[in-house]
Amino acid sequence: SSELTQDPAVSVALGQTVRITCQGESLRSSYASWYQQKPGQAPVLVIYGKNNRPSGISDRFSGSSSGSTASLTITGAQAEDEADYYCNTRDSSDDRVFGGGTKLTVL
Amino acid sequence: QVQLQQSGPGLVKPSETLSLTCTVSGYSISSGYYWGWIRQPPGKGLEWIGSIYRSGSTYYNPSLKSRVTISVDTSKNQFSLKLSSVTAADTAVYYCAREGKYYGSGSYYWLDFWGQGTLVTVSS
Repeated sequence: SSELTQDPAVSVALGQTVRITCQGESLRSSYASWYQQKPGQAPVLVIYGKNNRPSGISDRFSGSSSGSTASLTITGAQAEDEADYYCNTRDSSDDRVFGGGTKLTVL
Repeated sequence: QVQLQQSGPGLVKPSETLSLTCTVSGYSISSGYYWGWIRQPPGKGLEWIGSIYRSGSTYYNPSLKSRVTISVDTSKNQFSLKLSSVTAADTAVYYCAREGKYYGSGSYYWLDFWGQGTLVTVSS
């Protein structure tokens, strides 16, 4: 199956904007979904498709895509946004694949 | 509200078979969606194990395919995971989740409801 590559760690100052990226050839034909995971908790879906937010997810979260790169943008990052973020998509075989995850630190 | 409740042992001996069940409430498996299993080794990232549709059609991670069986019981609104010949490398938190798919212009899928996770330790 295909691979998705994420930066292991990213930091952002409180209230600033941060972009978390995910790269992989599968993203040229399929959008990514994004998950937030806090320690000891199950992942939570924050963005899926072109730029869809599930009910209850803050509008600080948005998604975009260009070529083989998908991005999750957090506008005005808050302390509670500190978490691990994973991208996920399907490949040409319809197998699902996750990125390695990005640890977001809010300074 | 859709809820997924996982059950199964937290300790499995090497070479034996890991078995977990996910019971869905608030939504009928027969109504649609795929239903998947994902795992996360301690301190590591998420790994997709496989998915099943109400009809029983399945997709498995190629790296685990020879050892994985996912089944569905629509009468009990449950789906299950079996992973055979386990080793210490299979020690992980295992999650079940509901999986949506869209195959229009620009396909995508998503996991919108998750179980609570079950830590399965492989040890004698």
